[in-house]
Amino acid sequence: QLQLQESGPGLVKPSETLSLTCSVSGDSMTSNKYYWGWIRQPPGKGLEWIGSIDYRGTTFYNPSLKSRVTMSVDTSKSQFSLKMNSMTAADPAVYYCARLLPWGGHSGDYWGPGILVTVSS
Amino acid sequence: FMLTQPHSVSESPGKTVTISCTRSSGNIASNYVQWYQQRPGSAPTTVIYDDDQRPSGVPDRFSGSIDSSSNSASLTISGLKTEDEADYYCQSYDTSNHVLYWVFGGGTRLTVL
Repeated sequence: QLQLQESGPGLVKPSETLSLTCSVSGDSMTSNKYYWGWIRQPPGKGLEWIGSIDYRGTTFYNPSLKSRVTMSVDTSKSQFSLKMNSMTAADPAVYYCARLLPWGGHSGDYWGPGILVTVSS
Repeated sequence: FMLTQPHSVSESPGKTVTISCTRSSGNIASNYVQWYQQRPGSAPTTVIYDDDQRPSGVPDRFSGSIDSSSNSASLTISGLKTEDEADYYCQSYDTSNHVLYWVFGGGTRLTVL
């Protein structure tokens, strides 16, 4: 059974860079059927897609966040990562990692439990 | 493009409710629409994929459709149960200009009272 788990600091200072890692277990990441994505949800608000990466490193980022976001993948460790710089008071959220299908389809809901990130000095 | 949903809907148990998701530009039929259910403290789960398909395990009380005339997708839940009370999000894809973006609607809070 595929499982995803986010890890990283729960507290980031304003202007600093958030670094999160998603560890994938139970299945290989090296399928060209899937993308590996980050989605965030500010407290009491809706879902916002941050970006997606495939196992070869092809990335797509939300245009509204593109200037601040970098994603990477390490299939040897079964991990993918998110870096978001210049964190501000607008960025606190639960950050989820997920396995995503491009263009449609359904192959199960595989999301991490989420990690709450707070921005404060 | 954006996907616009009503902020909230409410209906009584046993009734039917429909949640809309309107695409701001481009044809709603151009890209599949997915619907997610999210309960407090949990990650979203899929209730409808590819416009009108139900994953195994999702009751047939849940159905999806698209309407090109209004450029919108709809999620309909019949025979409402209190357990259906949750937030619902539509999601589609932006594949214009050789990109692949996942686009979420703002979410609809369903209250079953």
